[in-house]
Amino acid sequence: DVKVTQSSRYLVKRTGEKVFLECVQDMDHENMFWYRQDPGLGLRLIYFSYDVKMKEKGDIPEGYSVSREKKERFSLILESASTNQTSMYLCASSFSLGSASGNTIYFGEGSWLTVV
Amino acid sequence: AQTVTQSQPEMSVQEAETVTLSCTYDTSENNYYLFWYKQPPSRQMILVIRQEAYKQQNATENRFSVNFQKAAKSFSLKISDSQLGDTAMYFCAFIRTQGGSEKLVFGKGTKLTVNP
Repeated sequence: DVKVTQSSRYLVKRTGEKVFLECVQDMDHENMFWYRQDPGLGLRLIYFSYDVKMKEKGDIPEGYSVSREKKERFSLILESASTNQTSMYLCASSFSLGSASGNTIYFGEGSWLTVV
Repeated sequence: AQTVTQSQPEMSVQEAETVTLSCTYDTSENNYYLFWYKQPPSRQMILVIRQEAYKQQNATENRFSVNFQKAAKSFSLKISDSQLGDTAMYFCAFIRTQGGSEKLVFGKGTKLTVNP
């Protein structure tokens, strides 16, 4: 079974702290994505990556950065956490669209971040 | 900008009846993929059904089927014989290309409640 693992399910951080959210997939997927999910706003794309060391901004990248040093790992970084970044964060991965298996996206279980 | 629109924030249906969730999207591409995801209270995202735009035949998975109208850019989900376990948030999603990479974009979701 494909597995997308988010290392932290629940975190509580203080305003101004640097926060790392880690995501690992075990299927050699090219694409990886970070979303945040808020009530009434659905899932909004923060950043995505289509290859090692490659990254593209999504719809709400402000206040976030990402790192993809290895194919299986995609990290989301909050440089200085703020209370408006309290949310659930979802990681996802997939093969590229051009591949035979490229139209299935796999999600992690989510990371609940509270910034106080 | 939001390119996937789900116009029904909440819906309810009686057990064993049929319900249709609507979704429209915006793209100038000819080949793309569309998805419906289910998110139960556990928060894990579960793929319900997917549709390749180049396929004219509507996708079907057991009690779930879609009505894909490419010219109208419409992708509705029909759930037949609704069950209590179908209660969940349902998200319509769409893969589009951005600068050669693939971006997965979601609608805001429809909260479906199946009543006994």
